Amino acid sequence: DAEITQSPRHKITETGRQVTLACHQTWNHNNMFWYRQDLGHGLRLIHYSYGVHDTNKGEVSDGYSVSRSNTEDLPLTLESAASSQTSVYFCASSESVEGAREFFGPGTRLTVL
Amino acid sequence: GQNIDQPTEMTATEGAIVQINCTYQTSGFNGLFWYQQHAGEAPTFLSYNVLDGLEEKGRFSSFLSRSKGYSYLLLKELQMKDSASYLCAVRDSNYQLIWGAGTKLIIKP
Repeated sequence: DAEITQSPRHKITETGRQVTLACHQTWNHNNMFWYRQDLGHGLRLIHYSYGVHDTNKGEVSDGYSVSRSNTEDLPLTLESAASSQTSVYFCASSESVEGAREFFGPGTRLTVL
Repeated sequence: GQNIDQPTEMTATEGAIVQINCTYQTSGFNGLFWYQQHAGEAPTFLSYNVLDGLEEKGRFSSFLSRSKGYSYLLLKELQMKDSASYLCAVRDSNYQLIWGAGTKLIIKP
């Protein structure tokens, strides 16, 4: 069965360190997204990609970067982790058709000390 | 700015019916989604509305009025497993999803 996976599921790091969160999907979807979810807020879009070598900034992109070298993967990098980036991160993917739903990975809980 | 409003928390009784409202103000409209999210888990798709009216899917129904910027999710014959957060999201003119903060639904026996 097709799926979307994230790793690690939990991560504790220190302020200033570089961190990369992995996202891998086997749906063969062109569209991939990274969100963060914090208490009291809706899901907020960090970066998204509509295909290989395409990347775009979302609402809260400062301090994050992504790269898309193949269809399956969209890794999210925190250049220099800050305590404000403590959050739950969700990766999602969707088909490139109008009305397409987004399928979510299980999430990564990141704590920056 | 763009805004999606939904109640923070609702409580209902097992076997009853509950309606969760969502109002939105977005730059453009290309469909409205409802997702369910159990605590500690990922959101999962429930329904999609792009035209006005009611979409029914088993115990769950979703209604849309584009002129009023309003939607609701109706859950019938509530079960304990329906205890979860329900997220409303609108796809805007840039085809990005704008998310509400979610409604936590508590089901009591």
